[in-house]
Amino acid sequence: EDQVTQSPEALRLQEGESSSLNCSYTVSGLRGLFWYRQDPGKGPEFLFTLYSAGEEKEKERLKATLTKKESFLHITAPKPEDSATYLCAVINAGNNRKLIWGLGTSLAVNP
Amino acid sequence: NAGVTQTPKFQVLKTGQSMTLQCAQDMNHNSMYWYRQDPGMGLRLIYYSASEGTTDKGEVPNGYNVSRLNKREFSLRLESAAPSQTSVYFCASISEETYEQYFGPGTRLTVT
Repeated sequence: EDQVTQSPEALRLQEGESSSLNCSYTVSGLRGLFWYRQDPGKGPEFLFTLYSAGEEKEKERLKATLTKKESFLHITAPKPEDSATYLCAVINAGNNRKLIWGLGTSLAVNP
Repeated sequence: NAGVTQTPKFQVLKTGQSMTLQCAQDMNHNSMYWYRQDPGMGLRLIYYSASEGTTDKGEVPNGYNVSRLNKREFSLRLESAAPSQTSVYFCASISEETYEQYFGPGTRLTVT
């Protein structure tokens, strides 16, 4: 069964304290892995797509990496405005119309 | 270019009342989705539409109906609302080239 597991469920960091969020997946033929950011009261906002193992994408303080069984979202020197819930999702080669979602990691960055 | 829009933003219903949530996208995407999001449960797919004129059930379709009115619009109807349908509802569409999904701002529904 296709599945996405995110850890930790919640993470509290001090401003400037770098860390990583994990997304482990089991899927029958990965077509793509996605990272989203969700602020309270808003819809998820697309961040990155990774298509194959070894791929990396960067945006400001965020860097996403992908292996054959997991993805990491590295946050370098975070700021309070990076506080949000980060969601991971995958799409498999057999059904490219439905995403499989993780439950998310709630990140709080204290000033 | 508004992306994905949803109405209303907030709604309170009494048990047994009906309502329709509206969604529209201007990105010319073929596929559209309705999700609900509850604390601790994540995003759960209610229905999706791969193209105009087609709809398919997701994980939690019971108590809901959908209509794909045209390529732009995809509505979700609650015929007889129940307290268990209290949730935040998101509409989304997907790019067929990149598989990236784009979400609306959500509808916060409370059923008393």
